[in-house]
Amino acid sequence: GAVVSQHPSWVICKSGTSVKIECRSLDFQATTMFWYRQFPKQSLMLMATSNEGSKATYEQGVEKDKFLINHASLTLSTLTVTSAHPEDSSFYICSALGLQETQYFGPGTRLLVL
Amino acid sequence: GDSVTQMEGPVTLSEEAFLTINCTYTATGYPSLFWYVQYPGEGLQLLLKATKADDKGSNKGFEATYRKETTSFHLEKGSVQVSDSAVYFCALSENSGNTPLVFGKGTRLSVIA
Repeated sequence: GAVVSQHPSWVICKSGTSVKIECRSLDFQATTMFWYRQFPKQSLMLMATSNEGSKATYEQGVEKDKFLINHASLTLSTLTVTSAHPEDSSFYICSALGLQETQYFGPGTRLLVL
Repeated sequence: GDSVTQMEGPVTLSEEAFLTINCTYTATGYPSLFWYVQYPGEGLQLLLKATKADDKGSNKGFEATYRKETTSFHLEKGSVQVSDSAVYFCALSENSGNTPLVFGKGTRLSVIA
C-alpha cells in the first residue's frame, strides 16, 4: 500500500514550451502533497506544499507563476512548468502525506529542456 | 532555519562490513527524524524514523537512535549487502511528518562483493 506514481517519468521539451507533471496517490487519499526538486548529486529542495482545494504554498525563491500547482482532488496534484528554459532541467519529485503522517514519495520525473 | 548535515560520500564498503553514516541536525523545536533510501532509478523510500529523543528506529537491519544531547541520528548496519547500495538521505520534520521534510545532501553507498 501507500503507492505514489508520477507521470511522465521523463520528458524532453523545447525551450518555451510548458510541461505538466502528474502526481497520484494510488491507494490512499492525500489532502497534502509536496513538490521537491533535486539537482544532480544534491539534496531535495522543497518547492511548494499543495493542499487539496486550496492554493499551493510556495517556498521563498520559487516563482509561482512559473511552477503552477493544482491539487484538484484527493489523489492528484499537478505541477506545470510554464515556458520552460534549460535552467529548469531537473529531477522533480512529489510526495503525498499518508497514514501516520508519513510522506510517500513518487519515483520522480526527469525534465530536460533543450 | 532547520538544517541537516550528513557525512559526505561516496562510501565504499565490502560486503558484510559495518556501516555508519553520520547525521546531525539543527532545529528550533523537537523534530521528527528520518532516514530515506533512494535506489538507482527509483524514488525515495522511508527506511526508518524516530519521533522523540532516545527513540530507536529500525528496519531491514538498519537502525538509528535519536540523540537529543548530540543532535544526531546516525545510521548503522552491522553487515551490509550489495543490495544496500543506494543513496541515503537523513531528514527532519518539525512535526511528526506532516510538514515538509528538510533533507541532508545524501550519502552514496556502494557495497562490493
